Amino acid sequence: AQSVTQPDIHITVSEGASLELRCNYSYGATPYLFWYVQSPGQGLQLLLKYFSGDTLVQGIKGFEAEFKRSQSSFNLRKPSVHWSDAAEYFCAVGGGGTASKLTFGTGTRLQVTL
Amino acid sequence: EPEVTQTPSHQVTQMGQEVILRCVPISNHLYFYWYRQILGQKVEFLVSFYNNEISEKSEIFDDQFSVERPDGSNFTLKIRSTKLEDSAMYFCASWGKETQYFGPGTRLLVL
Repeated sequence: AQSVTQPDIHITVSEGASLELRCNYSYGATPYLFWYVQSPGQGLQLLLKYFSGDTLVQGIKGFEAEFKRSQSSFNLRKPSVHWSDAAEYFCAVGGGGTASKLTFGTGTRLQVTL
Repeated sequence: EPEVTQTPSHQVTQMGQEVILRCVPISNHLYFYWYRQILGQKVEFLVSFYNNEISEKSEIFDDQFSVERPDGSNFTLKIRSTKLEDSAMYFCASWGKETQYFGPGTRLLVL
């Protein structure tokens, strides 16, 4: 069964500082990996996705993520955080076909201090 | 840009009542999903739907739940007899361009 672990429940960074959110997945074959962001009371917005090819993927809002098969990781990064990035971030894995269900991690809540 | 829409945005119901949550997926998408998120917890898969039938469901999706695509645009989730533990945010999603697009959610509160 597929699963996702986000080890950091809550992270606080200063505005302008760099950010890395960790995600580890478990899936028997090549996974499809996603990062979504959720602002309070809002839905889920896709930041970026990895299906195949280049292991460093670029997303919206200046985010990027790197797929590392050897570490079963798909960490999200941003070089300089803005106050508006404060939100909950969810890593998700899909597999068994591109339209298969997503399994989400428990999320990381990002707080940005000014 | 096309979006997944959901109605209502909030619903309050009494335990034991039936509720229907409605979704309009993106028009040319063929795969549809329901997920739920209990307050403070992660998003959980409920069911996927393709070609007018359920393609996969989780253990959460028991006989109290059903899904339907009553016409060419709507996709509904029915909970026949709501329980307190059904209180959650319910998200509809549809698949296109290698991505699941999520709606804004319906917050269901069962009293």
